[in-house]
Amino acid sequence: GENVEQHPSTLSVQEGDSAVIKCTYSDSASNYFPWYKQELGKGPQLIIDIRSNVGEKKDQRIAVTLNKTAKHFSLHITETQPEDSAVYFCAASETGSSNTGKLIFGQGTTLQVKP
Amino acid sequence: GAVVSQHPSRVICKSGTSVKIECRSLDFQATTMFWYRQFPKKSLMLMATSNEGSKATYEQGVEKDKFLINHASLTLSTLTVTSAHPEDSSFYICSVSIAGGKKTQYFGPGTRLLVL
Repeated sequence: GENVEQHPSTLSVQEGDSAVIKCTYSDSASNYFPWYKQELGKGPQLIIDIRSNVGEKKDQRIAVTLNKTAKHFSLHITETQPEDSAVYFCAASETGSSNTGKLIFGQGTTLQVKP
Repeated sequence: GAVVSQHPSRVICKSGTSVKIECRSLDFQATTMFWYRQFPKKSLMLMATSNEGSKATYEQGVEKDKFLINHASLTLSTLTVTSAHPEDSSFYICSVSIAGGKKTQYFGPGTRLLVL
């Protein structure tokens, strides 16, 4: 089955700096890779996702890159702000018509942005 | 994205009682809903996949008689923790899957269960 590894487990940056979180996956059949942000005591919130037919996607200060050959994908946050502080989860899924789209999550990264 | 609600947000119960948690998709019809469990400072662990009108599919190691799932309509799925024990204390989160190519999952706010 699919296995997703996420690094680092904790990340501390100064406000305004960039943050990068990396994930690797094992199943070459996975074709959908979402990123979620979870604040304390709340449910995860989808912040960006990418499909395997594209290599990069950007939404304002957030970008995701995908290297399908190497089976790794990364989240990039630029110009970090204190409100970006949260736990970030990557996930991988196979979304063919015969699949439920079950997500396999990474272990999570606790991002702290210092003012 | 989809708006998902969960009720209750917090529940405290005595050991041996049963607790029902509701998950509602407020603006989309969800043929598939997922139930997760999350321990403090840990990742999300999928418990089961809930399909409208059929039996839920449970992940390995999850007791189906302990965690009863009902998905009676396209907007409501319920998780009942039967005969709860302190080790069942956890954060339970549901998600809804929007039909289509990506099958994007949108999560509810979670339910904090404390069993005394």
